[in-house]
Amino acid sequence: GNSVTQMEGPVTLSEEAFLTINCTYTATGYPSLFWYVQYPGEGLQLLLKATKADDKGSNKGFEATYRKETTSFHLEKGSVQVSDSAVYFCALSNGGKLIFGQGTELSVKP
Amino acid sequence: KAGVTQTPRYLIKTRGQQVTLSCSPISGHRSVSWYQQTPGQGLQFLFEYFSETQRNKGNFPGRFSGRQFSNSRSEMNVSTLELGDSALYLCASSLGDGRDNGYTFGSGTRLTVV
Repeated sequence: GNSVTQMEGPVTLSEEAFLTINCTYTATGYPSLFWYVQYPGEGLQLLLKATKADDKGSNKGFEATYRKETTSFHLEKGSVQVSDSAVYFCALSNGGKLIFGQGTELSVKP
Repeated sequence: KAGVTQTPRYLIKTRGQQVTLSCSPISGHRSVSWYQQTPGQGLQFLFEYFSETQRNKGNFPGRFSGRQFSNSRSEMNVSTLELGDSALYLCASSLGDGRDNGYTFGSGTRLTVV
């Protein structure tokens, strides 16, 4: 079946530190991959996506590359800000629905 | 353009009652899907509707049902509420099946069952 595994949190970083949140997946066929972010009290916001192998999604300084050979879609950012504090979800879709990882809480301290 | 709108934002219901949640998708989006978010189980898929037809269904009991209207607005109903149904219910809309453009989420309805 389809599943997504994320690194456990919470992750605590100092402002301007480098961020990596690991995400691996198991899927049949060729899914699309997504990162969503959730701020307190809000719904999910699409951060970036990749629809095929070797695609790189990027947005607001965040990047992730669709690696079929390692079934991974790790999220990276070179310099985090306090405003990046949120919960990050990796997800896949084979069409019609999203399957989410458990979420990784990021806390950035000034 | 307007985003995905969910109403109400908050609900408090008593065990055994039923509840209906509403979702208005982005204009032009014909797919609407529903998710339940809880601290213990995370984000779980409930069902997806496309052009008024249920296209996908998750592993939830029959107490959870939904429908979609001709204007793509969707409702979700939970009957005979249990304490464990307390959760944030999220609606998402997409063009087609969402693989190419992703899914846009609403702010959710926070349901508390007492």
